[in-house]
Order: sequence, then C-alpha cells, then structure tokens
Amino acid sequence: GAVVSQHPSRVICKSGTSVKIECRSLDFQATTMFWYRQFPKQSLMLMATSNEGSKATYEQGVEKDKFLINHASLTLSTLTVTSAHPEDSSFYICSARRLAGGWETQYFGPGTRLLVL
Amino acid sequence: KNEVEQSPQNLTAQEGEFITINCSYSVGISALHWLQQHPGGGIVSLFMLSSGKKKHGRLIATINIQEKHSSLHITASHPRDSAVYICAPTEGAQKLVFGQGTRLTINP
Repeated sequence: GAVVSQHPSRVICKSGTSVKIECRSLDFQATTMFWYRQFPKQSLMLMATSNEGSKATYEQGVEKDKFLINHASLTLSTLTVTSAHPEDSSFYICSARRLAGGWETQYFGPGTRLLVL
Repeated sequence: KNEVEQSPQNLTAQEGEFITINCSYSVGISALHWLQQHPGGGIVSLFMLSSGKKKHGRLIATINIQEKHSSLHITASHPRDSAVYICAPTEGAQKLVFGQGTRLTINP
C-alpha cells in the first residue's frame, strides 16, 4: 500500500531555532500534501495545503511566515517552523493525496513530535 | 456547534464485544474518512466512503448522506483495536474536517 514517511519522528530544540520537517510519498506522486497540527487531547487541525510547484494555501490563523512550506517535487513537501517557541510544541502530521483509477484518497505520515524548550 | 460530532467520546468494552461509533456532520461533503490513531500518534486511514457501506475484515463503515451521519462498527473487538477513531468528512478539494475522536479501550 501507499506509504508516506516523515522525518524526523521526534525533535527537541531550543527556543528561537528553526526546525524542518520532511514529508515524503514513497511509492506514488502527490501533487497535493496537507500539513496538520495536533495538540494533546485535541483533534487534528489543518494548517496548510501544499501544492507541488506553487505556493501553499494556509488556513486562517496560521502564520505563513512562521510555518514555511515548500513542495518542490511530487514526492516531497517540507514544513519549516521558523524561530520556534514553546507554544509551537505539538505533533505535526502530513498527508499526501493520491489519485488512482479515478479514486482519491489520503495517506497519512507517522507524524513528527516537536518539543521546543 | 461543531461541524463534526462523534459519539461516544470515550468507550470501554470487553474483548469480543460489538462496537459502534457514530459521526454526525453539518458540512457539505464529497466523502468521509474514518481514521485510526494509535497511542504513538500514527494515523491510518481505515475507510473513505461517499455512500452506502464498506467492509474490511472486522470493520464496517456506513454512511447516510441525506441524514449526514456515518457509523463505524467493529465486530469481535480485540485489545489491539484500542485507539482513537476519528471521523473526517471532506469538503471540496480533499480538505478534511476532523471530529474530536472516540477513544476506544478494549479490555481482555
């Protein structure tokens, strides 16, 4: 089945540093990837929609200058949390949209747990 | 009012019991996902359906578009089914709207 990977799976960083998270579709091309954030005991919240070769579409309330998204190829999207602060500590999940045989679905990555000290 | 309401929020059952999780939504949808999130956080898409009923092994998902309601059933539940189950309708362009999730615990 389709697999989406994320790297790193866990990261601890100091406040003020930038953290890059990679999302890769391993056996299919994904023109669209999605980035979600999940705080403890809360549901996933869509942060942005990443389209290959174009600018990402951010959800209301998500700062595009703080959460930089680059979807440079059909198999890779990156999310960079710039100047991270403790309130950015969260679980970040990506998903990749796959279109096959006229049927669309999404495959989710395993997530990246970010802790900002 | 939330766009997606799941019930129950928490469910504890004994191994072997038949489990039902319900989802009501108010958004217009093109399809609906049922997702499973394990304690480590990883998410697996169990079903995507836009009408009727789908079955994978012990899992069954149904949807009634007119009533804006979907259910997830687990037959012969097992402790390894313990997870959070999330209902996620999609509204246009595959944008998912997530329910709060149902935390299921199956005791041996």
